[in-house]
Amino acid sequence: GAGVSQSPRYKVTKRGQDVTLRCDPISSHATLYWYQQALGQGPEFLTYFNYEAQPDKSGLPSDRFSAERPEGSISTLTIQRTEQRDSAMYRCASSASLNTEAFFGQGTRLTVV
Amino acid sequence: AQTVTQSQPEMSVQEAETVTLSCTYDTSESDYYLFWYKQPPSRQMILVIRQEAYKQQNATENRFSVNFQKAAKSFSLKISDSQLGDAAMYFCAYRSGPFGNEKLTFGTGTRLTIIP
Repeated sequence: GAGVSQSPRYKVTKRGQDVTLRCDPISSHATLYWYQQALGQGPEFLTYFNYEAQPDKSGLPSDRFSAERPEGSISTLTIQRTEQRDSAMYRCASSASLNTEAFFGQGTRLTVV
Repeated sequence: AQTVTQSQPEMSVQEAETVTLSCTYDTSESDYYLFWYKQPPSRQMILVIRQEAYKQQNATENRFSVNFQKAAKSFSLKISDSQLGDAAMYFCAYRSGPFGNEKLTFGTGTRLTIIP
């Protein structure tokens, strides 16, 4: 696609529910990143993929968070048993390869009530 | 671990004037990249400018330029001839060099207001 596309743009969920966020990177981009941005803060790294490999998931805050990119293109971020502290903007970015510019999507704003 | 500090939560500037946003960082690495990202009210994240640590020359992109002081670990952004469209949150970010970690580490941001 022309840019990084994330869906949904907004998600409201009840505490304890599972949610899945989707990221469709720029076509042919090998590297895909997930970030979490709390209100008034800068984005914080969660994990990244190089094609379907996931070399670094050190930023995932707990085992309730997981990400997949099974075919090296679209990625999903799943949060199980959501908690209010998970409320944030979740941002996806992609780059053509390692060490090149990352382009960000519009983000998914998650609210856990 | 690397850290990025933006000590100015808010800045304001008159339209057409020049403003400088500050950023300092802490790292033990010698090879890395530094970035300034703009986040307008639409909440998109837009790359403004990029600097490679091995380059002594300061990066420039039209009205945007940086003052990169490697020894002082300082990376400030200068916006010349400020325009209303420059109003946004500005984030400074750090990334390790080619053989290091891929993740971007962001500062907490500076909210820039342009006064007409």
